[in-house]
Amino acid sequence: AQKVTQAQTEISVVEKEDVTLDCVYETRDTTYYLFWYKQPPSGELVFLIRRNSFDEQNEISGRYSWNFQKSTSSFNFTITASQVVDSAVYFCALSGRLSRAQKLVFGQGTRLTINP
Amino acid sequence: GAVVSQHPSRVICKSGTSVKIECRSLDFQATTMFWYRQFPKKSLMLMATSNEGSKATYEQGVEKDKFLINHASLTLSTLTVTSAHPEDSSFYICSAPSPPGLAGGNKYNEQFFGPGTRLTVL
Repeated sequence: AQKVTQAQTEISVVEKEDVTLDCVYETRDTTYYLFWYKQPPSGELVFLIRRNSFDEQNEISGRYSWNFQKSTSSFNFTITASQVVDSAVYFCALSGRLSRAQKLVFGQGTRLTINP
Repeated sequence: GAVVSQHPSRVICKSGTSVKIECRSLDFQATTMFWYRQFPKKSLMLMATSNEGSKATYEQGVEKDKFLINHASLTLSTLTVTSAHPEDSSFYICSAPSPPGLAGGNKYNEQFFGPGTRLTVL
């Protein structure tokens, strides 16, 4: 079975602070994909990143960075110099290589509030 | 990039009525689409996998007679909530996996999500 755990239900920080959102996953697949999505109040899911299990290289995109640690089954997301517009619910998700069409297992989500 | 649309974006209906939600892939074909449900302040839970030309595959605990899924063509899947009740009120989101050749040629690419449909049953 696959499972994604986001232990932080809500995080509130002041603007310009750095914040890290944790994600721990469980899977028996040797090949799998990890994702992060942002869900603003409008409800639409915004794709942020996809990582496959073969690639543990950390990635940086502007103020966003991701730390994939296969040894601890974690895929954490850091926002540097947070801004009010970063306020949203963030979901970590996992899909396994069972078939061509991949269904996603989502974590519980972390509600991030950036205060001015 | 690939776009998935949903219609309607918001629907309010009376208890006992049926509601149909459409999910369309706008610039690519999708033999498979997924339907997720999200309760307020909760995570997304997969309800079913919609398969073009065959029956949908439902997740455990999802009533197939309650949530009818029809994958009518390679670009359209519909979810019908039959005899809706207030407990069916939720945010319904569909997704379609990226086809091969799109976004890097990897077979197992990202999902493209629709904007969601907010259903309120009075």
